[in-house]
Amino acid sequence: QKEVEQDPGPLSVPEGAIVSLNCTYSNSAFQYFMWYRQYSRKGPELLMYTYSSGNKEDGRFTAQVDKSSKYISLFIRDSQPSDSATYLCAMAGGYQKVTFGIGTKLQVIP
Amino acid sequence: GAVVSQHPSWVICKSGTSVKIECRSLDFQATTMFWYRQFPKQSLMLMATSNEGSKATYEQGVEKDKFLINHASLTLSTLTVTSAHPEDSSFYICSAPTGAGETQYFGPGTRLLVL
Repeated sequence: QKEVEQDPGPLSVPEGAIVSLNCTYSNSAFQYFMWYRQYSRKGPELLMYTYSSGNKEDGRFTAQVDKSSKYISLFIRDSQPSDSATYLCAMAGGYQKVTFGIGTKLQVIP
Repeated sequence: GAVVSQHPSWVICKSGTSVKIECRSLDFQATTMFWYRQFPKQSLMLMATSNEGSKATYEQGVEKDKFLINHASLTLSTLTVTSAHPEDSSFYICSAPTGAGETQYFGPGTRLLVL
């Protein structure tokens, strides 16, 4: 079993839709949870970073962590074509080494 | 957010040659930097951890003699792919943690094509 599971997609949604991206993990030592956005042929860009269970909101983005279920989500409201990218979940156990999901490719159709 | 740069962004080389990739933290100091490799449609795979002033630590299966890492200063780490072969063609990305180290900021990546 992989430490981090993420559906690679692709996920296609119409512009304005709410997007839900998810990851599950198996390592209970993970304490820090991140979401990165990666455009084609570019390095990943940090979107959200959370430490505790619960929700964290930043503009159109909401990150949700449920440590009891080992499940994290990223919600994108009012999705835009410019949101089309690959979204990577990432987790760390506090020793700087980060484990990434495979990434979900999102396409927002105008 | 913090800025990490990489150079070059694109490199094409002949098989058997060596290629050096630079990773710089532009507005913060990084005693640790990470080097990743990403093949098409695959996730980032950690290759090694670069430590300023000491030897890098390599992940299992990564040849340390092939992928030479030098972390000469608090803002610069270099990855040299020695005697590159076509199977080394990939997207190489560096990152640096900030603050307490829980998050990482990534460079824009270097695409290597070995002919």
